[in-house]
Amino acid sequence: DGGITQSPKYLFRKEGQNVTLSCEQNLNHDAMYWYRQDPGQGLRLIYYSQIVNDFQKGDIAEGYSVSREKKESFPLTVTSAQKNPTAFYLCASSLESIDTQYFGPGTRLTVL
Amino acid sequence: EDQVTQSPEALRLQEGESSSLNCSYTVSGLRGLFWYRQDPGKGPEFLFTLYSAGEEKEKERLKATLTKKESFLHITAPKPEDSATYLCAVQGAAGNKLTFGGGTRVLVKP
Repeated sequence: DGGITQSPKYLFRKEGQNVTLSCEQNLNHDAMYWYRQDPGQGLRLIYYSQIVNDFQKGDIAEGYSVSREKKESFPLTVTSAQKNPTAFYLCASSLESIDTQYFGPGTRLTVL
Repeated sequence: EDQVTQSPEALRLQEGESSSLNCSYTVSGLRGLFWYRQDPGKGPEFLFTLYSAGEEKEKERLKATLTKKESFLHITAPKPEDSATYLCAVQGAAGNKLTFGGGTRVLVKP
């Protein structure tokens, strides 16, 4: 079955800790994205990658970092510099950057 | 800067009561307008892509239309399982990001 997986589904973090969210796809898509969703707000783009070993900042990249070492994987690290990290994080992928984006099931991060 | 505004924020319908959701947008060079459905605690599920004014697409009880300034998602004779948040997004000339609206929460009561 082709699709996008995100893990974990729920993540709890203490203040001052870095955490890494996993995103894997087996759709053979070149482009991958990370969005953040807060209650009552639209999805906001954190980082995107159009090809392996390349990525660009989105609208709200401060306090986050990514890597794209493999086509299938695009992990997101939420660093201690992110002032308000509690949110629902969504990973997406598309065949190319101009194509329809398909989303994973999401990871809910809570800072304790 | 691309902008998307969805209205209403919330919509309560009786089963079988048809209605429309609005998505108004401003974008430099529209590449595509996207509709997604999102259930609570889940990722958005792709519904439609519209590329040019006048285009229409249908899927079961849903029909999406597009003009140069807005898109409508028509829900015909909705059922309780159509309850969800419907998200609209646009992709501009740069082609590397989607700009989302705040969504419309739809509740269909039996």
